[in-house]
Amino acid sequence: KAGVTQTPRYLIKTRGQQVTLSCSPISGHRSVSWYQQTPGQGLQFLFEYFSETQRNKGNFPGRFSGRQFSNSRSEMNVSTLELGDSALYLCASSPRQGLSNEQFFGPGTRLTVL
Amino acid sequence: KQEVTQIPAALSVPEGENLVLNCSFTDSAIYNLQWFRQDPGKGLTSLLLIQSSQREQTSGRLNASLDKSSGRSTLYIAASQPGDSATYLCAVMSGNFGNEKLTFGTGTRLTIIP
Repeated sequence: KAGVTQTPRYLIKTRGQQVTLSCSPISGHRSVSWYQQTPGQGLQFLFEYFSETQRNKGNFPGRFSGRQFSNSRSEMNVSTLELGDSALYLCASSPRQGLSNEQFFGPGTRLTVL
Repeated sequence: KQEVTQIPAALSVPEGENLVLNCSFTDSAIYNLQWFRQDPGKGLTSLLLIQSSQREQTSGRLNASLDKSSGRSTLYIAASQPGDSATYLCAVMSGNFGNEKLTFGTGTRLTIIP
């Protein structure tokens, strides 16, 4: 069974631009969660989607948004990029809703904002 | 607010030794605790998941224990190998249903010396 895939793997953007990241969960998994990892803040939860609905959200500004499609694939969008948005963005999938279930992570998208 | 601490931040041991990594958390009302490893620039690989009702889990050379009352978990690695070199992260899942939060520790960077 294929694991969680994320595209693109690397991105370079400039301040003020917007970016869209994609995540394809493990086949049969319906929950997708997004995390931001930086050297200073570590791993922080962004949001969770289940059955195309956002069911949980972390403490990030409204510039960070996401959605989930009927095939469980998810996208994350960051608008008006800031230098501090440079990070590794990780997506995780789980068969059921709720972060209390085991999370399976993808390889991440490395975003650099110049 | 749940806080997760991992000490030490870095650890170097000779190949073949047994070792213990520590994880502590402040709020004992957790759903479960999960141990991950992360190789440089890569995503997270799930190692072990311990439900709140369990005391330990084993997988191969790895054994994780959980003591909820004291807010502690340990990851025991037997007969360490150079391939075990990575950053090890623990994460606890807590919060009300629909508002669960996965809180990560800052990790222990493990180096196995051949």
